[in-house]
Amino acid sequence: DLQMTQSPSTLSASIGDRVTITCRASQSINNWLAWYQQKPGKAPKLLIYKASTLESGVPSRFSGSGSGTEFSLTISSLQPDDFATYYCQQYNVYYSFGQGTKLEIK
Amino acid sequence: QVTLRESGPALVKPTQTLTLTCTFSGFSLTTPRMCVSWIRQPPGKALEWLARIDWDDDKYYNTSLETRLAISQDTSKNQVVLTMTNMDPMDTGTYYCARLRSVGSAFDIWGQGTMVTVSS
Repeated sequence: DLQMTQSPSTLSASIGDRVTITCRASQSINNWLAWYQQKPGKAPKLLIYKASTLESGVPSRFSGSGSGTEFSLTISSLQPDDFATYYCQQYNVYYSFGQGTKLEIK
Repeated sequence: QVTLRESGPALVKPTQTLTLTCTFSGFSLTTPRMCVSWIRQPPGKALEWLARIDWDDDKYYNTSLETRLAISQDTSKNQVVLTMTNMDPMDTGTYYCARLRSVGSAFDIWGQGTMVTVSS
């Protein structure tokens, strides 16, 4: 099974901060990686696909990078609406998700 | 506007079979390369992919659950149905359906989810 590992599990940050979440795949997934944002009681929302392509309508403060087995999601300047849980997901071999990173207000 | 909506029982008993329906609009599952998947999320836990059905009726399952899952489509009703047999309390969670706009793509539009509790 292809495992996805995110770090950190929890991240405390302030409005305006630049934050980065990392995601590691247990084997190469090329760039078949997506990032989702999920708020309590809501469905996940696609932010980035193919490792670095911003989904239509997603603010440009979100960016993704990486290839192979190491990936990252960066939020350049945190806004109040960004406090949520973030998941990475590979779609190179079927689909699997990371365990999530909860982004909290410091 | 693309929308998906899940429906099904909120409570099932252990060993029973769960049947969930995803009703969608704004796209057709007859469009080449279009797909719909089911994903679930236990309370407070991570997401887990369950199954996918493609425009050409090809079907794919999570290997750890495939003996219990069946996915099907009714193109005339714009619905995708997931059945899961032998339900267990560990299957409790929110079940989502989501669209893939192409075979090799991420899940771009999700339904709101439906909470299923497995308890006697």
